[in-house]
Amino acid sequence: TQLLEQSPQFLSIQEGENLTVYCNSSSVFSSLQWYRQEPGEGPVLLVTVVTGGEVKKLKRLTFQFGDARKDSSLHITAAQPGDTGLYLCAGRSGYALNFGKGTSLLVTP
Amino acid sequence: EAGVAQSPRYKIIEKRQSVAFWCNPISGHATLYWYQQILGQGPKLLIQFQNNGVVDDSQLPKDRFSAERLKGVDSTLKIQPAKLEDSAVYLCASRTIRNGYEQYFGPGTRLTVT
Repeated sequence: TQLLEQSPQFLSIQEGENLTVYCNSSSVFSSLQWYRQEPGEGPVLLVTVVTGGEVKKLKRLTFQFGDARKDSSLHITAAQPGDTGLYLCAGRSGYALNFGKGTSLLVTP
Repeated sequence: EAGVAQSPRYKIIEKRQSVAFWCNPISGHATLYWYQQILGQGPKLLIQFQNNGVVDDSQLPKDRFSAERLKGVDSTLKIQPAKLEDSAVYLCASRTIRNGYEQYFGPGTRLTVT
């Protein structure tokens, strides 16, 4: 099993602040996905990055895939309370996904 | 289209009892996954089906866990007998090749073993 480490594990910020969460591995992945999970729900896909160095933007969220395809970051600009949730990165190995432990984000008004 | 359905949503049992979870994937999704998510951790794959065949069950504790997808549509996951460490959320996900590698997750079943 290829391990994915996410940091920080917990993050509590105020509305309007910026933040970055990280996903690191010693393994190379063919693609990497970011999911957000809210309490009592299953994870929901935010983005898939495939190419080393790729940057994707989804409104206030910016995702980057490392050049070596071993790491990724998620940057949120001007966080809002609706961004609260568990952010999971997952590396694809064949047709299966290996998930990190997640970053639990709390955005307070 | 309807999402992935799971039932029950919550289950509390005593250790050594048996329990079963049900999943109905999105219509037309040939691939179905069962994950275990322990509190504070990311989901861990237990088993993957392609239609009614098992693709990967390498992380399924086969001495107590079993799963089937007899008609290639809905699936059941069973634990017999349950242990305290089985307390977790059990997530079902499905995928279709038309959507690439995106997996669609159900809401999960939260199992508490006392």
